[in-house]
Amino acid sequence: GQSLEQPSEVTAVEGAIVQINCTYQTSGFYGLSWYQQHDGGAPTFLSYNGLDGLEETGRFSSFLSRSDSYGYLLLQELQMKDSASYFCAVVWGTNAGKSTFGDGTTLTVKP
Amino acid sequence: NAGVTQTPKFQVLKTGQSMTLQCAQDMNHEYMSWYRQDPGMGLRLIHYSVGAGITDQGEVPNGYNVSRSTTEDFPLRLLSAAPSQTSVYFCASSRTGTGGGDTQYFGPGTRLTVL
Repeated sequence: GQSLEQPSEVTAVEGAIVQINCTYQTSGFYGLSWYQQHDGGAPTFLSYNGLDGLEETGRFSSFLSRSDSYGYLLLQELQMKDSASYFCAVVWGTNAGKSTFGDGTTLTVKP
Repeated sequence: NAGVTQTPKFQVLKTGQSMTLQCAQDMNHEYMSWYRQDPGMGLRLIHYSVGAGITDQGEVPNGYNVSRSTTEDFPLRLLSAAPSQTSVYFCASSRTGTGGGDTQYFGPGTRLTVL
């Protein structure tokens, strides 16, 4: 089966940088995705890493090491609106059609 | 574009009742998926489809059926509702499999309570 581990909670102050780690065990691995979900809302796709290395999208960056089965999401210049849950998800299976999600990390940004 | 739409937004069922959750997308996406999310947990894949007429099971398929007769629609049927199926259900679509980094778009969710 697939399994992922990420911290349950992270707290940081506005303007700071925070890193959310994700380790995984999976078969048929294609890549690692990250999603943001505000309370009561739908998940929103943030980024995807199919190859080792860093992907940057504005204030958000994501990293993958396939050999270590490890990735992280880096959020810079934190804003209050970044308070949300963040999920890593492994993409796997035939035709890369399946995503298995971690249980999420609740990020609280304080003034 | 409306994106991914789901109906109903809320539903209360009694144990043993059946119902269909509707999902539609207007982006001509081949891939569609159904997830459930229980409180404090991540999303779990129920069923998915890689195109019209093609469906496959996800991690938690028991008690649910799907079919995909058109590219746009991907309904989820609960055969005989149980309290364990109380959850928030999300439908999602992507142009191709998300293994290529394709964005997976989610609907607003259906909040289902089974008494």
